[in-house]
Amino acid sequence: EDQVTQSPEALRLQEGESSSLNCSYTVSGLRGLFWYRQDPGKGPEFLFTLYSAGEEKEKERLKATLTKKESFLHITAPKPEDSATYLCAVQGNNNDMRFGAGTRLTVKP
Amino acid sequence: NAGVTQTPKFQVLKTGQSMTLQCAQDMNHEYMSWYRQDPGMGLRLIHYSVGAGITDQGEVPNGYNVSRSTTEDFPLRLLSAAPSQTSVYFCASSLRGRVLSDGYTFGSGTRLTVV
Repeated sequence: EDQVTQSPEALRLQEGESSSLNCSYTVSGLRGLFWYRQDPGKGPEFLFTLYSAGEEKEKERLKATLTKKESFLHITAPKPEDSATYLCAVQGNNNDMRFGAGTRLTVKP
Repeated sequence: NAGVTQTPKFQVLKTGQSMTLQCAQDMNHEYMSWYRQDPGMGLRLIHYSVGAGITDQGEVPNGYNVSRSTTEDFPLRLLSAAPSQTSVYFCASSLRGRVLSDGYTFGSGTRLTVV
């Protein structure tokens, strides 16, 4: 069965303090790994799709990377508006999208 | 272009009652799905549809029913509500569907409490 584990569960950073969120996965035939951002009381918002090991995607202060076993979401010089829960999901050969429980990021000014 | 619209935003039901959660999208997406989100757990797939007239079960389908009569609408029916169905429900859609997913567009959710 496909599995996704995100760590840490919660992360508190000072504004400008760079860090990384981890997404470890096991999947039968990776079709894609997805990162979403979710603000309180709202639905997840799509950020990136990564399809193969070695691939990287960037958007503003966020950079997602992918290996055969895990993905990292690097946050460079975060701002308070980057505070949110970040969700990772994988899609395997069965086409189901399996989500992790998320990392709740808080950036203090 | 409203995206994915879910109604209601909040609902309280008594055990045994039935109700329908509404989901509509205006992006001409073929793929639509329903997820539930519980604290400490990832989003779990309830039911999905790859096009009008086609539906299938996800990971946690028991107690829920769906139909897809149009491309735009994908309602979720709770047949006889139970406290275990207390959750936040999200509808999601995708242009390219399950095989070549390009990331989902989610609605803003329905927070359901069953007492």
